[in-house]
Amino acid sequence: LAKTTQPISMDSYEGQEVNITCSHNNIATNDYITWYQQFPSQGPRFIIQGYKTKVTNEVASLFIPADRKSSTLSLPRVSLSDTAVYYCLVGPLEEYGNKLVFGAGTILRVKS
Amino acid sequence: GAVVSQHPSWVICKSGTSVKIECRSLDFQATTMFWYRQFPKQSLMLMATSNEGSKATYEQGVEKDKFLINHASLTLSTLTVTSAHPEDSSFYICSARAFVGGNEKLFFGSGTQLSVL
Repeated sequence: LAKTTQPISMDSYEGQEVNITCSHNNIATNDYITWYQQFPSQGPRFIIQGYKTKVTNEVASLFIPADRKSSTLSLPRVSLSDTAVYYCLVGPLEEYGNKLVFGAGTILRVKS
Repeated sequence: GAVVSQHPSWVICKSGTSVKIECRSLDFQATTMFWYRQFPKQSLMLMATSNEGSKATYEQGVEKDKFLINHASLTLSTLTVTSAHPEDSSFYICSARAFVGGNEKLFFGSGTQLSVL
């Protein structure tokens, strides 16, 4: 299983762009990279998923370099409500879920 | 996206009693669901994989006789914490796989906060 490493915490201010990087040096060929957001006392919420290069949706962008050994979640113009824990998960889709291991995640604190 | 509904949101029970938590996939069928436990300020820990129509697969260290899992239909999995004790107090979360936007993704329930007195 690909182990992931993320910063423990990050601080930002409202309106700024936040980039959270995740290292996954032993990512396998059939592994996808998925990011989840979790608020206190709630289940994680899917943010974005990708395999290579760049993926963008209405809430975030995911940048994956050619070697795929890391990925960066980019949150444009964060607000106070983006304060949460962000998890980077790496695993194969065909065994999705039972092969996913949640790391410690990154606590993002957005200040006014 | 897909919706996973989990009930109850919170439950308080006396030590020695059993508590059942339900996890439903509302707009899709889920042959596989997952149960996690999360302690305060910690990450999610996978407890077991729930398979529709067959026995659940438990992670190492998780007592299958204490955490009973039933997945009798394609939209419902239940976790029963039997003979609960204070150390079982935790946040329990279920999830299910759904094919959305071209790929499979995990969708999570809102979680159940269990407090055992």
